[in-house]
Amino acid sequence: EPEVTQTPSHQVTQMGQEVILRCVPISNHLYFYWYRQILGQKVEFLVSFYNNEISEKSEIFDDQFSVERPDGSNFTLKIRSTKLEDSAMYFCASSDRTGDQPQHFGDGTRLSIL
Amino acid sequence: QKEVEQNSGPLSVPEGAIASLNCTYSDRGSQSFFWYRQYSGKSPELIMFIYSNGDKEDGRFTAQLNKASQYVSLLIRDSQPSDSATYLCAVNKFTQGAQKLVFGQGTRLTINP
Repeated sequence: EPEVTQTPSHQVTQMGQEVILRCVPISNHLYFYWYRQILGQKVEFLVSFYNNEISEKSEIFDDQFSVERPDGSNFTLKIRSTKLEDSAMYFCASSDRTGDQPQHFGDGTRLSIL
Repeated sequence: QKEVEQNSGPLSVPEGAIASLNCTYSDRGSQSFFWYRQYSGKSPELIMFIYSNGDKEDGRFTAQLNKASQYVSLLIRDSQPSDSATYLCAVNKFTQGAQKLVFGQGTRLTINP
């Protein structure tokens, strides 16, 4: 069964450093998402992406965050200057259409900011 | 009022019994609803989705939707220890043509052998 893949599985970074989280969505999917989950809290929406542009972003997704689809397969989330509070699990998800289609999640990247 | 509310549990159910998980949502215009299972330290795994009022069955799982009451539930029949996990209720929210999932806090379910 096709799946969303994320790398790395665990990223440890010093505060203030830039970090890039990578995702390969399911190949025929067109809609891409990033969510995050701080330890012990609920899953929160960060950003959605379609047709090479952001469709919607949450209040969390400030100027320190950016997303990119650099080629036909990868979808990346960049955090320019990491803060301690950015420590969380980051999940990439994709769906083949909008309009109520289920989103399929990758295994996530655990980001630890020191 | 939270957009999606779940009882955080823990909910403890004996093996072989029916586990019943509940969720309420605030946006009356919501159209699609999802149940994800999340094992500790893992990602959400899609279990069921439901769009229409009534019941939808898939193996041991039944999702129930009552839009008038803004209520979604998940029943797990013949519960197994492997069903022990946190169950996340999610509602699809549309804003200006874009969609996103809004999650509840999750209900931690423990199946006791």
